[in-house]
Amino acid sequence: EDQVTQSPEALRLQEGESSSLNCSYTVSGLRGLFWYRQDPGKGPEFLFTLYSAGEEKEKERLKATLTKKESFLHITAPKPEDSATYLCAVHGGSYIPTFGRGTSLIVHP
Amino acid sequence: DVKVTQSSRYLVKRTGEKVFLECVQDMDHENMFWYRQDPGLGLRLIYFSYDVKMKEKGDIPEGYSVSREKKERFSLILESASTNQTSMYLCASTLLYATEQFFGPGTRLTVL
Repeated sequence: EDQVTQSPEALRLQEGESSSLNCSYTVSGLRGLFWYRQDPGKGPEFLFTLYSAGEEKEKERLKATLTKKESFLHITAPKPEDSATYLCAVHGGSYIPTFGRGTSLIVHP
Repeated sequence: DVKVTQSSRYLVKRTGEKVFLECVQDMDHENMFWYRQDPGLGLRLIYFSYDVKMKEKGDIPEGYSVSREKKERFSLILESASTNQTSMYLCASTLLYATEQFFGPGTRLTVL
């Protein structure tokens, strides 16, 4: 059974204070690891897909990295508008992705 | 841009009512999903469909049914709503197997 654990559950940062969110996973035959951003009361929005260990993707202040056991979402010099819940999901051999419970990020001005 | 729309943003129903939630995607995606999201429990899959008229149970199908008569439309039905079905319901679609999901805005359902 595929499993995804995200940590921490909640993270508070000051504006400009860089940090990382962790997504640890176990999956049989990784087809893709996905990061999503979810604002309160809205549906998740796709950010990145990573396919193999060593791969990195960047978008503005966000950078996602992947190893064989975990993925990190690095947030550099965050701004208050980066406040959201960040979800990680993995796709293994089934039709259904497995989601983590998310990390709630609050960035204070 | 892919657009996934859901029929209502907020819905209030009474216990025992039959409830229909509709989801429409405009990009010819093969796969569609229904999730519910509750605080502390994350996203839980109710049903998914990989083709018209095809459906598969997810992790929590009890009390729900689905219908996919057209490729772009996936409906979730609560046969007899109960208070424990109060939740945020999210629809998603994907073009192919193991690709990114595109989510709708969600329907916040309250059952009184």
